[in-house]
Amino acid sequence: AQSVTQPDIHITVSEGASLELRCNYSYGATPYLFWYVQSPGQGLQLLLKYFSGDTLVQGIKGFEAEFKRSQSSFNLRKPSVHWSDAAEYFCAVAPSSNTGKLIFGQGTTLQVKP
Amino acid sequence: NAGVTQTPKFRVLKTGQSMTLLCAQDMNHEYMYWYRQDPGMGLRLIHYSVGEGTTAKGEVPDGYNVSRLKKQNFLLGLESAAPSQTSVYFCASSYSSAGDAADTQYFGPGTRLTVL
Repeated sequence: AQSVTQPDIHITVSEGASLELRCNYSYGATPYLFWYVQSPGQGLQLLLKYFSGDTLVQGIKGFEAEFKRSQSSFNLRKPSVHWSDAAEYFCAVAPSSNTGKLIFGQGTTLQVKP
Repeated sequence: NAGVTQTPKFRVLKTGQSMTLLCAQDMNHEYMYWYRQDPGMGLRLIHYSVGEGTTAKGEVPDGYNVSRLKKQNFLLGLESAAPSQTSVYFCASSYSSAGDAADTQYFGPGTRLTVL
């Protein structure tokens, strides 16, 4: 069965430091992969997605992610974190090509220290 | 253009009561989804719809029913609420008329439901 794992439940970084959030997936074929962000009390917003081509994907708010097929990973990165990046981050995979259904990871909560 | 809206934002029910959550989108999207979000479990798909008049079960459909009578609306019903249904419910929609799994889902702000 398809699954998505985010190994880190909570991460704390200092403002200005670099960030990497991990995501591993289990899926037989080439997956469609997504990162969403959820600010407190809000719905989810798409940061970026990968479905083919260049394995380094650029997203909004200065985020990027790299697809590594050999490691079944799609880690999210940002070179310099801002206090406004504090939120919960979800990795997701689309296992089907005809329904658009998403399978989400458990989420990683990012705390930013001043 | 309001995007995806959900009504109500908060609700408290007693065990056994029924209610309907309304999701509306003004983006002419074909696909709509209902998720529930519980701590440490991410979002899990309850039901979804690939077009007006069609619905299908997701990962956790038990205890819920849905209807998609109009393209822009997707209703989620709880016929007899249970404490295990205490959760935050999110509706989402995507264009995907060609079934493109890479299409972006747009989420509503959520409904926080407590069942006592």
